[in-house]
Amino acid sequence: GALVYQYPRRTICKSGTSMRMECQAVGFQATSVAWYRQSPQKTFELIALSTVNSAIKYEQNFTQEKFPISHPNLSFSSMTVLNAYLEDRGLYLCGARDFYEQYFGPGTRLTVL
Amino acid sequence: QQKVQQSPESLIVPEGGMASLNCTSSDRNVDYFWWYRQHSGKSPKMLMSIFSNGEKEEGRFTVHLNKASLHTSLHIRDSQPSDSALYLCAASAGGYKVVFGSGTRLLVSP
Repeated sequence: GALVYQYPRRTICKSGTSMRMECQAVGFQATSVAWYRQSPQKTFELIALSTVNSAIKYEQNFTQEKFPISHPNLSFSSMTVLNAYLEDRGLYLCGARDFYEQYFGPGTRLTVL
Repeated sequence: QQKVQQSPESLIVPEGGMASLNCTSSDRNVDYFWWYRQHSGKSPKMLMSIFSNGEKEEGRFTVHLNKASLHTSLHIRDSQPSDSALYLCAASAGGYKVVFGSGTRLLVSP
């Protein structure tokens, strides 16, 4: 079956530091990978979308300078939260699509102290 | 920019009752809807997806889609306390981008 793994599941970082999270698609070829953030009491905001053979597209309010993403192949993606502050805390979800279905990983929960 | 609106924001139904949740896209090109359920502190799990007009049923869950009105609905019959969760609707419009609504919080009272 199709699965999406994310690592780490939980992480704590000090304010002003950076942390990297990873996403691995298993059992299917991900033609796109999207990173979302769910802040406390909020819905899922799309951070950026990475598709095969296209540049990574960031949504309004999110930038490559703050959330650099690497998507070197169809099964792996990583995103770094640079210079994290309190407003960056939340659940970061990776969603990988094989065009029709979207599969989510369990998320990386980021706490910023 | 596609928006996905969900209603109601919250819903309380008695155990054994029917819960009905609504979702509408603002994009006329919407071609795919998903419904997810998220229990507190957990990641969302997909319940059902739909891309054809009509109805799709899986167990106690039924999803309707009306593409002309850009509207989908999720119905949960014989609701159980374990169904209490945040229900998220997501939609895509002809591409890879998937946009989420803000969710409906369902509480099934015993």
